[in-house]
Formats: sequence, structure tokens, C-alpha cells
Amino acid sequence: EDQVTQSPEALRLQEGESSSLNCSYTVSGLRGLFWYRQDPGKGPEFLFTLYSAGEEKEKERLKATLTKKESFLHITAPKPEDSATYLCAVPSGGSGYALNFGKGTSLLVTP
Amino acid sequence: SAVISQKPSRDICQRGTSLTIQCQVDSQVTMMFWYRQQPGQSLTLIATANQGSEATYESGFVIDKFPISRPNLTFSTLTVSNMSPEDSSIYLCSVVLANSYEQYFGPGTRLTVT
Repeated sequence: EDQVTQSPEALRLQEGESSSLNCSYTVSGLRGLFWYRQDPGKGPEFLFTLYSAGEEKEKERLKATLTKKESFLHITAPKPEDSATYLCAVPSGGSGYALNFGKGTSLLVTP
Repeated sequence: SAVISQKPSRDICQRGTSLTIQCQVDSQVTMMFWYRQQPGQSLTLIATANQGSEATYESGFVIDKFPISRPNLTFSTLTVSNMSPEDSSIYLCSVVLANSYEQYFGPGTRLTVT
């Protein structure tokens, strides 16, 4: 069965303190790994899709990387507005598009 | 990306009643999905909304409880039937754009059942 595990569950950082979030996955034939940001009371906001090991993508203070077993979301010099829950997901099931989500990492960045 | 709207944005409903949630997207999409996010939890797929045919439901979700329609490429509805407090959740639609593999989510409908 496909599984997605995120760690840590929660992370508290000081503004400017860089760190990484982890997403490990077990799937039969990876068809992409997705990262989303979710603010309280809102739908997930698409950040990145990674398709192959070694691939990296960046957006502002965020950089996502992918290996054959896990993905990292690196946050460089975070600001309070980066506080949110970060979700990773992999396509699963017959359609090849429906997403199987991890439980997320709740990030709090304090001034 | 795409602009996805959901109606209503939130509702408070009585036990035993039904609520229909609408999802509208501003461009043609290949796939539409409905997810549920229970309080403090991650997202769980309810079903794939298939245009012009019956939706494909995930294990644990049935058509009688969550009937879904998708009459065209840009619109879908999810009905939560005979509601109980356990149905209190955020319901989200998502779309995969034509010629893309990326999946985008609507703003969600926050449902509270009393």
C-alpha cells in the first residue's frame, strides 16, 4: 500500500532560522511528488511537483528536493508569513492523479 | 493555474438533512476530485467526479451518502446526505488542468453538523 510520512509533525523556528521538512514515501512507481502549503481555513496552495530523483525546484525561500525514497522542503531564512501547514502527496490509485496525502508539518515562525 | 470556486464557503446544518456543495472552475480540466479534511487531519479522497457518468468512490465512501454529479468539464457537485455530526469537515474539490499533471484545490466548504 502506498504510504506518505511527514516529519516532524510540528516545527517552531525563529525568524531567519533555516530548516528542512521531510516527506518519505513508499509507492509502486512514482508519478510525481507534490508539495502544498495550507493556511488555516483555506484550501491547499500548490507549491511544487517533483518527478525524478535529483530534481530540485525553488520558490522564494522554499526549495524542494527529491530522492528515490524521500523529499525535503528546505526553508531558508523563514519569515513569520511562512507559518502554515506544509503537505506532501503522491498520486495513488487507478486514475494516476488522485493524491494520497501525508499528515503534514505545522510550521510556526516567530519574530 | 486555475480559479476554482466553491459554494457555500461554510454552513451549519441540522442532523438528518442534506447539503449540496458546488465546485466551478474557470478553465477546462481533465480530472475533478472531492476530498474531505476532518478537524486536525490531512486530506482524504472521497471520489473522482467523472464527466457524464457515475463517480468513482474510494473505500469507505458510498454513493448513497455522497452523491456526486459532473455534468460538464468545469462544474461538479457533492451532496452530503443524511448528515450526522461525524460529517463535520472541510470538503474540497480539486482539478487537474488539461495538458498538465498539477492538481489545484478550491477554497473548501466548512461544514458543521449539529
